[in-house]
Amino acid sequence: EAQVTQNPRYLITVTGKKLTVTCSQNMNHEYMSWYRQDPGLGLRQIYYSMNVEVTDKGDVPEGYKVSRKEKRNFPLILESPSPNQTSLYFCASSLYSWVPMNTEAFFGQGTRLTVV
Amino acid sequence: AQSVTQLDSHVSVSEGTPVLLRCNYSSSYSPSLFWYVQHPNKGLQLLLKYTSAATLVKGINGFEAEFKKSETSFHLTKPSAHMSDAAEYFCVVRRGGSQGNLIFGKGTKLSVKP
Repeated sequence: EAQVTQNPRYLITVTGKKLTVTCSQNMNHEYMSWYRQDPGLGLRQIYYSMNVEVTDKGDVPEGYKVSRKEKRNFPLILESPSPNQTSLYFCASSLYSWVPMNTEAFFGQGTRLTVV
Repeated sequence: AQSVTQLDSHVSVSEGTPVLLRCNYSSSYSPSLFWYVQHPNKGLQLLLKYTSAATLVKGINGFEAEFKKSETSFHLTKPSAHMSDAAEYFCVVRRGGSQGNLIFGKGTKLSVKP
């Protein structure tokens, strides 16, 4: 089954304790990205990757890091989490970034992160 | 720059009545538009996408949307609401260029009353 898998689904952590949220897709997609969802703001892109070893900042990258060493995996790293990073996080993948423009994105189930 | 505006943050309908969720877009060129649905505690699922092949787009679960360039709108409709349609709906435009990310509206929460 084609899917995007995120882990963990729920995470409570303390300020400053490094954490990683994993994301894996089995569709051989080139393009992967991370979004955060906050009430009343919709989803906003954090980082994206157009292919292996190619990553770039999205609209809200501060406080996050990513890596893309393999095509299928795109982990999100919070080196020193802070309470303002409490949010619902989604990983997404699509075949291409922009060609064709109507390529749909497939989303993971989400990771609800609470930083206390 | 591309953007989308969902005109209602919350819509409430009775089961069996029509659904209308409104979305206006802003784009400097022919946009790629999508509607996604998010059920409680679930991920996002694609309902439908505008491909420029037809202005009336049919999606899953009986939903459809009409692209109106003159009104810069892409409203989502369904003739008869079902209880299972209760969810949050996002109108989305794809940003052009290499960033290629999806720009989400703020969402419309649909409630369906029995």
